[in-house]
Amino acid sequence: QSALTQPASVSGSPGQSITISCTGTSSDVGGYDYVCWYQQHPGKAPKLLISDVSKRPSGVSTRFSGSKSGNTASLTISGLQAEDEADYYCSSYTRSSTLLFGGGTKLTVL
Amino acid sequence: EVQLVESGGGLLQPGGSLRLSCAASGLSFSSYTMNWVRQASGKGLEWVSSISGSGSTLYYADSVKGRFTISRDNAKNSLYLQMNSLRAEDTAVYYCARPSRFLDRMDVWGKGTTVTVSS
Repeated sequence: QSALTQPASVSGSPGQSITISCTGTSSDVGGYDYVCWYQQHPGKAPKLLISDVSKRPSGVSTRFSGSKSGNTASLTISGLQAEDEADYYCSSYTRSSTLLFGGGTKLTVL
Repeated sequence: EVQLVESGGGLLQPGGSLRLSCAASGLSFSSYTMNWVRQASGKGLEWVSSISGSGSTLYYADSVKGRFTISRDNAKNSLYLQMNSLRAEDTAVYYCARPSRFLDRMDVWGKGTTVTVSS
């Protein structure tokens, strides 16, 4: 299976909002509300940001939000901060009982 | 504190074998499916394999099916990944992760162990 499609990079200035998309198919993103988003800083393990399309685990800032429309999920980060600069990955459960990740998006805070 | 610690990575030649381990602490290990996820240098995350809490159900990515075997020892709170017929494209950091629901929603990750396959 091919990876979910994410933009390679996005950027924004401090205080602004950005949105990262994650496009799959009806066999994964579109078929289940099991989309997660992870944040990964260089040299670190990924951190769960969003699960079940839009649920924030305890301790995750309310500046992070998720949504889904059809086969595309989105992560929005509002009030950008310098520490948000990282790589972001989406993932989805699939019809084949596997897990698929997106290719990752590098966020640059200008 | 929930903690996952991977070990067993190393440098080996194509065609070789390696066994990775993941030691878990601070959680009811046998209650959870466990995952292996890998990341090649400068590349994205790739789900590799999962095993149910009892060890009875196994899941593999197509890229490793037939070459890798996931297993666990609940008495030792340990997860394993036996990797055979290794290829250069298996070179990556291998993470052990705990999904809080079936295969996904991985809320606990280890720091990873590095596997390098090169001649």
